[in-house]
Amino acid sequence: EGHEVESGGGLVRPGGSLRLSCATSGFNFGAFNMNWIRQAPGMGLEWVSYISGGGTTIYYADSVRGRFTVSRDNVKNSLYLQMNSLRAEDTAMYYCARESPPGVTTFWGQGTLVTVSS
Amino acid sequence: DIVMTQSPLSLPVTPGEPASISCRSSQSLLHSNGYNYLNWYLQKPGQPPQLLIYFGSNRASGVPGRFSGSGSGTDFTLKISRVEADDVGVYYCMQVLHTLYTFGQGTKLEI
Repeated sequence: EGHEVESGGGLVRPGGSLRLSCATSGFNFGAFNMNWIRQAPGMGLEWVSYISGGGTTIYYADSVRGRFTVSRDNVKNSLYLQMNSLRAEDTAMYYCARESPPGVTTFWGQGTLVTVSS
Repeated sequence: DIVMTQSPLSLPVTPGEPASISCRSSQSLLHSNGYNYLNWYLQKPGQPPQLLIYFGSNRASGVPGRFSGSGSGTDFTLKISRVEADDVGVYYCMQVLHTLYTFGQGTKLEI
């Protein structure tokens, strides 16, 4: 079935940067589309970004476009989210989620918490 | 962006009784392949969301038969035939037809 484990979260000041990672194992990583989805404390789910299996197709939510960059390394079986110009409203638990089949985010990691505060 | 609207936002239920959650989309989620690109999730406290129903009406692996999904186009429903104590949490619908995926606000099911 495989596993996804997020890391890289932490406390950062407004305007700062952070790079999240999602390490995967147990499946053919390059064959699956991946997503980042976040959840602010006490709030609902917000889709952040999508990247296709080969990395050629990428989408972002309007709220992060121009500030966040998604990427993947299919040799290292890892997904990344580079977050720049962070704002207080980016404070959230960030989940990576695997699509299986395409369009269905079936497998989720446990998340990594990002806190943007001065 | 596609707006997903769930109702109710809070759903008090009695164990053994049925429950129903509605999800409406601002645009049709019916793909040309005949599938509705609408998924349902349950998020239990302190856990990531878990997939319940995909493409409108297909139960995910391991999901009990008391959960069912129906609907097409813009109107969808998640039904629980007989609620159990373990079903408490927040239920979300999610559209995945249009490239900027969007979630409903969530429905909190309480016993």
